This record gives sequence, C-alpha cells and structure tokens, in this order.
Amino acid sequence: AQSVAQPEDQVNVAEGNPLTVKCTYSVSGNPYLFWYVQYPNRGLQFLLKYITGDNLVKGSYGFEAEFNKSQTSFHLKKPSALVSDSALYFCAVRDVPGGGATNKLIFGTGTLLAVQP
Amino acid sequence: AAGVIQSPRHLIKEKRETATLKCYPIPRHDTVYWYQQGPGQDPQFLISFYEKMQSDKGSIPDRFSAQQFSDYHSELNMSSLELGDSALYFCASSTETAIDEQYFGPGTRLTVT
Repeated sequence: AQSVAQPEDQVNVAEGNPLTVKCTYSVSGNPYLFWYVQYPNRGLQFLLKYITGDNLVKGSYGFEAEFNKSQTSFHLKKPSALVSDSALYFCAVRDVPGGGATNKLIFGTGTLLAVQP
Repeated sequence: AAGVIQSPRHLIKEKRETATLKCYPIPRHDTVYWYQQGPGQDPQFLISFYEKMQSDKGSIPDRFSAQQFSDYHSELNMSSLELGDSALYFCASSTETAIDEQYFGPGTRLTVT
C-alpha cells in the first residue's frame, strides 16, 4: 500500500533562514506526490506536485520540493522563510496512479512549521 | 477563480441526530472526494465519486452515505451521529486524470454534543 511519512511533528526556523520539511514515501509503482498547506481553521491548499520529469519541482509561494528516488524522499524547501509561512504542511501520495478509481490521496501526519520573527 | 464550495461551514448536532453536508465542485471537475480530519489528525479518505458513480470507498462508517448528483454536486449524509464523528469534513474536486491535483473546499466543522 502507498504511504508517506513525515518524521517531524514540528519544524522551527527563524525568518529569513532556509526551511526544509521532510517527507519520505513508499509506493509500489511510480510515485505521484503532493504537498498541501493548511492554515488554522482553513482548508488544504495545493502547493506543488511531482508526477514525472525534473526532480526539482517549483510551486506556490516560493516553495519547491526535491524528488529523490534513491532516498524515496520528497522534501519541501524554501530558501527564505516568512512568518506568514507558519502553518501545517501535509505530504500526500496518490494511491495507485491511474484513471478513475483509487485516485484518493493518502496523507502524512503533518508537520507544523513555526517561523519566528 | 471558482473554488470548491461547502455548506454549511459549521454544524452542531446532538448524538443520534442526522446531518447532511453539501459540496459544490469547481466547474468542469467531474470527480469529488470526501475526507474526514479529526482534531490534530491528518485527513482520512472517506469516499469518492466520478461521473455520479461511486469510484472508491475508504474508512466510511455504514451510518454514512453519499452521492453525486447530475450537476456534479455531492452530499454526505450522516445518521445516528456519535461524539466521535466530530471533525472537519473536507470535500475536494478534480478532473478524473490521476496526475491532476485535488482542490479542497474550506471544510465543514461538525460538532456532535
């Protein structure tokens, strides 16, 4: 079964410093990987996805993620953190890539990013 | 751009009551997903529909049912509510293509007392 793991419950970083939120995956086929962000009492907002192609994926709000097949990782990164980036970040994998059925997302447990001024 | 609409945004029910949550997908999206997010937890997949047919089923209790209508909106019906059903319920929509991301609505916060 497909799964993702987020090993850190919380990441603390000072504003202006680079940030990394870690995610590792376990899939049986080609991984379709996603990052979402959730602000308090809000829905999930799509940040970026990896389907195929370049290992470095650029997304919204200056975020990017690096797909590493040998390490089965898909870490989220940003060169310079903002206080407004403080939120809950979820890594997700699509279950059994393919059309129609079983396109549901399987989420990691989430990582709370806290950016200090 | 139009987003996924969910109603109501907040709902308070008592145990054993019923609740109906509604979801209106982004125009031209033919697939709807329902997720449940308990306090401090990650979203868990409940059920999905593609072209008005159930396409997948997750950890959805038998007390819950859902359907997708001809205009592609979806409703999640919850009966015999329990305290443990208190959660944030998200609807997401996408096209059927596997590579496309899902767009989430703001969620309905259900509180069962």
